[in-house]
Parts: sequence; structure tokens; C-alpha cells
Amino acid sequence: KAGVTQTPRYLIKTRGQQVTLSCSPISGHRSVSWYQQTPGQGLQFLFEYFSETQRNKGNFPGRFSGRQFSNSRSEMNVSTLELGDSALYLCASFDQRVQETQYFGPGTRLLVL
Amino acid sequence: GENVEQHPSTLSVQEGDSAVIKCTYSDSASNYFPWYKQELGKGPQLIIDIRSNVGEKKDQRIAVTLNKTAKHFSLHITETQPEDSAVYFCATGGGYNKLIFGAGTRLAVHP
Repeated sequence: KAGVTQTPRYLIKTRGQQVTLSCSPISGHRSVSWYQQTPGQGLQFLFEYFSETQRNKGNFPGRFSGRQFSNSRSEMNVSTLELGDSALYLCASFDQRVQETQYFGPGTRLLVL
Repeated sequence: GENVEQHPSTLSVQEGDSAVIKCTYSDSASNYFPWYKQELGKGPQLIIDIRSNVGEKKDQRIAVTLNKTAKHFSLHITETQPEDSAVYFCATGGGYNKLIFGAGTRLAVHP
């Protein structure tokens, strides 16, 4: 099976702009979670989706949002970008039948200038 | 609150030696303990995981041990090879498919 794919892989934006990142899970997986990775804060959970419903959300401001489509693909959006949003954004896909075993994609590296 | 402490932050070993990374957690509800390996420019790769009903699990050169009473778990890599050099993360899960990660250990294996 193909792994988790994320697009784009790299992105440069300026403060105040918004950005949308995309994630396609492993075929057959219906659950997707998103994480932010920075040198200072490490890996932090953003949110998790199953069957188009957000089931869990981390401690991030409302500027961070996401959604999941009927084909299990997911997007996350960050509005009004701040310098501190520069990070590697990781998407993880998991099979609901094997609770919590998550497989990560390569990530999207976002640089905010 | 939820917290996972990971030690050491850096580890340097000679090829063929063993490497041990330790993590402690605070949430008693944690029942899933995965370990990930992250190489430069890549996403974390799941290398082994253990659930709370098991005390030890081994997969070739990699083993994980869990002590739920003490709330700590460890990763053991034997016969290390240069390709084992990477950043290793421990994590805990307690339901709801949300993982709490340790800060990571940078492992360097010298030929």
C-alpha cells in the first residue's frame, strides 16, 4: 500500500496570509490526525478526524482548523499566519480497527516570513 | 496534565554497542506506548509499540519494556548500526487517538 501523502512538501508564506495543507491517508484508513513539530515545542497534537467528524482537538488557537472529506482525505487551514507558525506539519493515518497505531506522512514544511 | 519526559536528549555509541532510551509519563490512563524514528527530512516512522497488557516486546534488534506501576518505558537497540542514527521519539496514547510525545533523543552511531 502507498503511504500517507502530504502536499505541498514545502511552503513559504508571509505574516497575515492563510495556508491550506492537504493529506491523503493510507488506502482503507478512515482516521487522520494532524501534528505540529517545532524545535522548541516538539511534536504537538492539533486535531483528529474520523468519518468527516472532528473527534479531538489540541490546545491550539482557532486560527488552526481542519476538515475531512468523504474519501478520508483531510485538509488543515491556518489563517492569519504568524512567524511562530513556522513548523513541520505532520499528518498521521490510522486504521480504526487497530486503535492508536498511527503512520505519519513526510510532512509539509511551512516557513512564515 | 499530560506529560512525557524522555532521556537522554542525545546519545552517542559505537557501532555494535547497545543503546537505551527511557521515558516516563504522568497520565495513569495511558495504555499505548509507541516509539518512532525520524530521519532528516522525513516524517516519524513507527518502529515498535507496546500496549499496557504487555510488559515487553521484541522485534529483531529492537525491544521495548514497560513498567506501568512506575510509569516508565524504555527502548533498547542492540548491535547498533550507523543506519540507526536518527532522532527517536517515545509517545503515549490513552484513547481518542491523540499521542503525547517526548522531546526526542538524537542517537549517533559511530562506525
